[in-house]
Amino acid sequence: QQQVKQSPQSLIVQKGGISIINCAYENTAFDYFPWYQQFPGKGPALLIAIRPDVSEKKEGRFTISFNKSAKQFSLHIMDSQPGDSATYFCAATPVSSGAQKLVFGQGTRLTINP
Amino acid sequence: ETGVTQSPTHLIKTRGQQVTLRCSSQSGHNTVSWYQQALGQGPQFIFQYYREEENGRGNFPPRFSGLQFPNYSSELNVNALELDDSALYLCASSLGGSYSREAFFGQGTRLTVV
Repeated sequence: QQQVKQSPQSLIVQKGGISIINCAYENTAFDYFPWYQQFPGKGPALLIAIRPDVSEKKEGRFTISFNKSAKQFSLHIMDSQPGDSATYFCAATPVSSGAQKLVFGQGTRLTINP
Repeated sequence: ETGVTQSPTHLIKTRGQQVTLRCSSQSGHNTVSWYQQALGQGPQFIFQYYREEENGRGNFPPRFSGLQFPNYSSELNVNALELDDSALYLCASSLGGSYSREAFFGQGTRLTVV
């Protein structure tokens, strides 16, 4: 119940196209859903995050769509650029008075072809 | 850059040895979490420290232990190293008890156990 399932495992998109990565979760106690971008040899960098009280959040070319009833959320990268080539992780944090534990998906390796 | 720094960046140890990894949290953050990221996987939560006390633990054995200091920096100690402990160890800092829940990662320490 603590899992977050991410798909696809890898994705190739042409420059200027839209990249879409999907995540699904089971635990209804999750209340914070961030996306992280990770380049080889680096730590994950926070891209954008959403809470379940909104269905969409947009920051620049990055948009999170959230479907609470389906327990799914997705990351859309508009006008994808070669510099966006990286591994993307969705994550979720449960409501808790204790640890702000991030549960990560398995990751999506995104390649943007020039 | 997140302001979270980890040392060392790379480390090679022999099976059975002990290792200490260090993390300086972002200014103003009182919470540090440690994650283990195996090659090709998402990060896995090890434990979290909030105001110098352990505040939640993932599914890791007791030979993984930690400390947080009054300046909120932190150490991760691993005893009796096993080959499977080879991974990227990530430290994340956040503001515990905060509604924002944003967690910022360091660049990681790459541990290789031979």
